[in-house]
Amino acid sequence: GAVVSQHPSRVICKSGTSVKIECRSLDFQATTMFWYRQFPKKSLMLMATSNEGSKATYEQGVEKDKFLINHASLTLSTLTVTSAHPEDSSFYICSARVSGAGNSPLHFGNGTRLTVT
Amino acid sequence: QKEVEQDPGPLSVPEGAIVSLNCTYSNSAFQYFMWYRQYSRKGPELLMYTYSSGNKEDGRFTAQVDKSSKYISLFIRDSQPSDSATYLCAMTDAGNMLTFGGGTRLMVKP
Repeated sequence: GAVVSQHPSRVICKSGTSVKIECRSLDFQATTMFWYRQFPKKSLMLMATSNEGSKATYEQGVEKDKFLINHASLTLSTLTVTSAHPEDSSFYICSARVSGAGNSPLHFGNGTRLTVT
Repeated sequence: QKEVEQDPGPLSVPEGAIVSLNCTYSNSAFQYFMWYRQYSRKGPELLMYTYSSGNKEDGRFTAQVDKSSKYISLFIRDSQPSDSATYLCAMTDAGNMLTFGGGTRLMVKP
């Protein structure tokens, strides 16, 4: 069964508004979660690493003020797309490791499809 | 050159066929290899996880790693229409970051 839950699965918002996406680890604690973005028919692009109790680490080219990440508990990380624009429309997916070991596989949420009109 | 290369497909096969999906990579430090299946508009689902060279079988799926050739494969036996999806390979050197292939789109026709 699913080990990572993501909500909402789909959201449509107007340009200029903000959208919050939640990612929860189920039945395990995740000190680190990862946020990915995926364009149609493309692979996953790592946006940022979310660290419980500290600042997120953003990949090069990802605006930290645009994509706010909060990892306030060991089971919840949130991604807020601020002042969204149509070019932010995409598929956002979070992931976590059941084990904290760096070689253990990632488990993904079911993704959030964001459409900005 | 990308760190992980994967043919995007689409790969179209008849139901019941044996499917072979492959990735090549350039970083010899990679030791842990994964295959994910992604249905349209869903998150990737972990299918197989292997360490170093060798084979691993799980039901109709077999993952094969050849580190000397920097080549990994996923075989699907008796393919079904429900196997139609995009298959992503991923690998890591035991650091935190996974490196993904671009994905291969598979279509199994009844």
